[in-house]
Amino acid sequence: GENVEQHPSTLSVQEGDSAVIKCTYSDSASNYFPWYKQELGKRPQLIIDIRSNVGEKKDQRIAVTLNKTAKHFSLHITETQPEDSAVYFCAASIRTGAGTASKLTFGTGTRLQVTL
Amino acid sequence: GAGVSQSPRYKVAKRGQDVALRCDPISGHVSLFWYQQALGQGPEFLTYFQNEAQLDKSGLPSDRFFAERPEGSVSTLKIQRTQQEDSAVYLCASSPFRQRANQPQHFGDGTRLSIL
Repeated sequence: GENVEQHPSTLSVQEGDSAVIKCTYSDSASNYFPWYKQELGKRPQLIIDIRSNVGEKKDQRIAVTLNKTAKHFSLHITETQPEDSAVYFCAASIRTGAGTASKLTFGTGTRLQVTL
Repeated sequence: GAGVSQSPRYKVAKRGQDVALRCDPISGHVSLFWYQQALGQGPEFLTYFQNEAQLDKSGLPSDRFFAERPEGSVSTLKIQRTQQEDSAVYLCASSPFRQRANQPQHFGDGTRLSIL
């Protein structure tokens, strides 16, 4: 089955700096890659996603890049703010079969701390 | 509209007791997923419903775990004869369905289950 690895496990940056989180996946059939932000005791919140027919996607301060050949994808947060502090999870999902959706396989998470 | 709603938010049970966890998905969402999140880990897939049909239960850890969605909306995850290793946060997610294109999954706040 799919395996997703995520690095680093913790990341500390100063306010205003950029943060990069990297993930690799094992199953070449994966074609959908969402990123979730989870604050302590809260639900995972989708912040951005990318499909395999796109190499990069950006939404304000957040961007995601995908390299299908190398099977890795990355989250980039620019101009970090204290409210960006949370645990971030990458995930991968294989292409759907006819008439079905597919589960998400998550990475182990990155705890991002943005310091003043 | 309302997001995914889960109840109870917290559940404490003694080892050996049965528990039932409820999920109300976003109205109109055909796909419903259950995940288990251990402390400090990413969510792990348990089972998937499309409408009332349970199409994938490959992640259920044992036959003590049972899920249903009889009318294609509300879902219940039942754990029989609970054990300490069942302690975790149980997350429910729902998504619309599009043929051959995974859709974003939206999560509830989860039920934190503690087995004493």
